[in-house]
Amino acid sequence: ELKVEQNPLFLSMQEGKNYTIYCNYSTTSDRLYWYRQDPGKSLESLFVLLSNGAVKQEGRLMASLDTKARLSTLHITAAVHDLSATYFCAVAMEYGNKLVFGAGTILRVKS
Amino acid sequence: DGGITQSPKYLFRKEGQNVTLSCEQNLNHDAMYWYRQDPGQGLRLIYYSQIVNDFQKGDIAEGYSVSREKKESFPLTVTSAQKNPTAFYLCASSIQAGGLNEQFFGPGTRLTVL
Repeated sequence: ELKVEQNPLFLSMQEGKNYTIYCNYSTTSDRLYWYRQDPGKSLESLFVLLSNGAVKQEGRLMASLDTKARLSTLHITAAVHDLSATYFCAVAMEYGNKLVFGAGTILRVKS
Repeated sequence: DGGITQSPKYLFRKEGQNVTLSCEQNLNHDAMYWYRQDPGQGLRLIYYSQIVNDFQKGDIAEGYSVSREKKESFPLTVTSAQKNPTAFYLCASSIQAGGLNEQFFGPGTRLTVL
């Protein structure tokens, strides 16, 4: 059974600081997704990571995937208040299109 | 504009009632999904459908039912057998074939049992 673990579950950051969110998963997978959710809203797709060593960057967010370690990271550079949200990683089952989601990381950026 | 719509945005249900949540997409996606989100938790898969007239149970299907009569539509019925239905329900869709299989989400329906 595929399990996905995110940490930390809650992150309070100062503006301008850097931090990393970790996503570990338990079985082989070839696809990993990062989503953002604002309070009371739906999920917005941030990154799709398809292969070992994949790195994607958008603004102050950078995601990477290490399939051998079964680990993905979401790195935040010089945080700003607008990044405050909940971030989810989701891992695809090896066969088929089912996703298993992590519990989410609540990020609060303080001025 | 292509996208996924869900209705209603808010829904209130009395104990013992069945209610149906609507999900429609005009993205021409083959696969559609229903998730449940409880406060402070991740998403859990209720049902999914990879093709018209076919669907499979997800991890928490008990007390729910679905149909997939049209490619564009995947309604979810929350039955009276669902013991604790108060939650945020999200519908998603994805292209079946191809490498990305990225799921795109609708705006959600917040269901409250009175």
